[in-house]
Amino acid sequence: AQTVTQSQPEMSVQEAETVTLSCTYDTSESDYYLFWYKQPPSRQMILVIRQEAYKQQNATENRFSVNFQKAAKSFSLKISDSQLGDAAMYFCAYRKSLGGATNKLIFGTGTLLAVQP
Amino acid sequence: DGGITQSPKYLFRKEGQNVTLSCEQNLNHDAMYWYRQDPGQGLRLIYYSQIVNDFQKGDIAEGYSVSREKKESFPLTVTSAQKNPTAFYLCASRPIGSGELFFGEGSRLTVL
Repeated sequence: AQTVTQSQPEMSVQEAETVTLSCTYDTSESDYYLFWYKQPPSRQMILVIRQEAYKQQNATENRFSVNFQKAAKSFSLKISDSQLGDAAMYFCAYRKSLGGATNKLIFGTGTLLAVQP
Repeated sequence: DGGITQSPKYLFRKEGQNVTLSCEQNLNHDAMYWYRQDPGQGLRLIYYSQIVNDFQKGDIAEGYSVSREKKESFPLTVTSAQKNPTAFYLCASRPIGSGELFFGEGSRLTVL
């Protein structure tokens, strides 16, 4: 069974600094999706960034980028120029590639990020 | 605006009572999901539905039931058989052909 592990329950970063959140996963599949979701205090989950496993290039969305290491099954999120609004719980998630009725999203336990002014 | 609406946002119930959480989406998405969120455990899948009139159990379906009579609606009933129902419940939907889930704002259920 696929699993997603986030080993950092809490992280803290100074405003304008850079922080990296770690995520590892376990799967025997070769084609899959990886996601980082943000859950602010309002509790609504928001997609931050996604990565298709077949793409070697790391995904980037403005200040957010990932370091995808397929062989190591690692998918870390880097937040550059951290802002107060980045404070939230961040979840790493995995999903098998399309096809079949059991392609559910599997979540890690989350990392709570605090941003210090 | 398109989106997913969950109601109620907060709900209190007494032990032994069933309660139904509403989830409505106007995104024309085929697949819908219910997740439960507990502190320190991330999100766990309760039920999901790929198409109307069809749904599948997730990892923690015991004590819950769902229906999918309309494409836009996927209500979740928390029955009295659910031993620890106090939690935050998130509904999500996904368009066919995409791996991304879109989430509602959630419903917090507290059993007194």
